[in-house]
Amino acid sequence: DTAVSQTPKYLVTQMGNDKSIKCEQNLGHDTMYWYKQDSKKFLKIMFSYNNKELIINETVPNRFSPKSPDKAHLNLHINSLELGDSAVYFCASSLQGNEAFFGQGTRLTVV
Amino acid sequence: ILNVEQSPQSLHVQEGDSTNFTCSFPSSNFYALHWYRWETAKSPEALFVMTLNGDEKKKGRISATLNTKEGYSYLYIKGSQPEDSATYLCAFMSNTGKLIFGQGTTLQVKP
Repeated sequence: DTAVSQTPKYLVTQMGNDKSIKCEQNLGHDTMYWYKQDSKKFLKIMFSYNNKELIINETVPNRFSPKSPDKAHLNLHINSLELGDSAVYFCASSLQGNEAFFGQGTRLTVV
Repeated sequence: ILNVEQSPQSLHVQEGDSTNFTCSFPSSNFYALHWYRWETAKSPEALFVMTLNGDEKKKGRISATLNTKEGYSYLYIKGSQPEDSATYLCAFMSNTGKLIFGQGTTLQVKP
């Protein structure tokens, strides 16, 4: 059983499109995160949700929006995709400040 | 702005060498300090979570220390092996739930 799963693993799309990346965790964790990995492999935090409430919202474009239908899911919606959005996006979850478990990443390519 | 700095950025050592990396983080709003190991084509995996000043954790040949008053943590690898080659990330968890990663130290161990 995969603890934190992201879909799709790869996503190729055209500029201007709207796309979503799904994330699900079956660990009973109370906090979920989205990170963007930049070209230097740096993990930049985008969002985190705790018990379905957004507790931080970093300075990301408002084209990006997290949506959490329930505690086990935190999906990432991206509107009007731009070339600069191409990156690997990682979802993660944790429980009360303990270690974070990561999904396998989604490689987004905008052409 | 929460800033987590790691040094060195990269490190090349010979098999059998011992090595250490540094992570510096804000000394205010501290909740926990995490260390992760990130192998190529995989997702980051947690090594240690430390919360108390003076904490020391050990897992096999890898150990870590924590100084929350001055805002630094060290990761030590004793007798490096080629399979230790990876990027080592530290992450600062604030008392508001932010999990902020450093840029990582990439270790290459030559046989």
